[in-house]
Amino acid sequence: AQTVTQSQPEMSVQEAETVTLSCTYDTSESNYYLFWYKQPPSRQMILVIRQEAYKQQNATENRFSVNFQKAAKSFSLKISDSQLGDTAMYFCAFMKPTFDEKLTFGTGTRLTIIP
Amino acid sequence: NAGVTQTPKFQVLKTGQSMTLQCAQDMNHEYMSWYRQDPGMGLRLIHYSVGAGITDQGEVPNGYNVSRSTTEDFPLRLLSAAPSQTSVYFCASRLNDAPNQPQHFGDGTRLSIL
Repeated sequence: AQTVTQSQPEMSVQEAETVTLSCTYDTSESNYYLFWYKQPPSRQMILVIRQEAYKQQNATENRFSVNFQKAAKSFSLKISDSQLGDTAMYFCAFMKPTFDEKLTFGTGTRLTIIP
Repeated sequence: NAGVTQTPKFQVLKTGQSMTLQCAQDMNHEYMSWYRQDPGMGLRLIHYSVGAGITDQGEVPNGYNVSRSTTEDFPLRLLSAAPSQTSVYFCASRLNDAPNQPQHFGDGTRLSIL
């Protein structure tokens, strides 16, 4: 079974600074997908960024980028020029392309952006 | 375009009561799923469906039933609520055509069982 570990329960950073959230996972699969979801206080689950394991190039979405290290099974999220609206819980998730398409989530990192 | 709509947003039940959490999507997504979110844990898959008439169990199915009579709707039923089912429940949907397509989540239902 796959497991996803987020070792930082809470983080805080000053507005406009850069912050990196860590995620490691355990799998024997070679083909899979990784995601970062954001959950603000409104409780919505919002997709931030996704990465296909067969792609070596790290995904980027505006201020959000990932550092995907397949051999190390590491998938960190970097937020540049952090904004107050980035305050949220961030969940790392793993999915292998099987019939149930189950997302396996980490326990989350609570990120606070300080004005 | 409403996306994924969950009702109700909040509910309090007594142990032994039954209820149905509603989930509807207007994006013509074939795949739908239910997750529960508990403190200190990530979301866990309860049941899923890959199309109308097809459902299957996820990671934590005990105590829950589902059905999928239409593409749009995927209700989750608690037949006899237990305090262990106190949680936040999320419904999600996505297109089947490629696994890297994101799952769209509803806003969640916070359920408390007394």
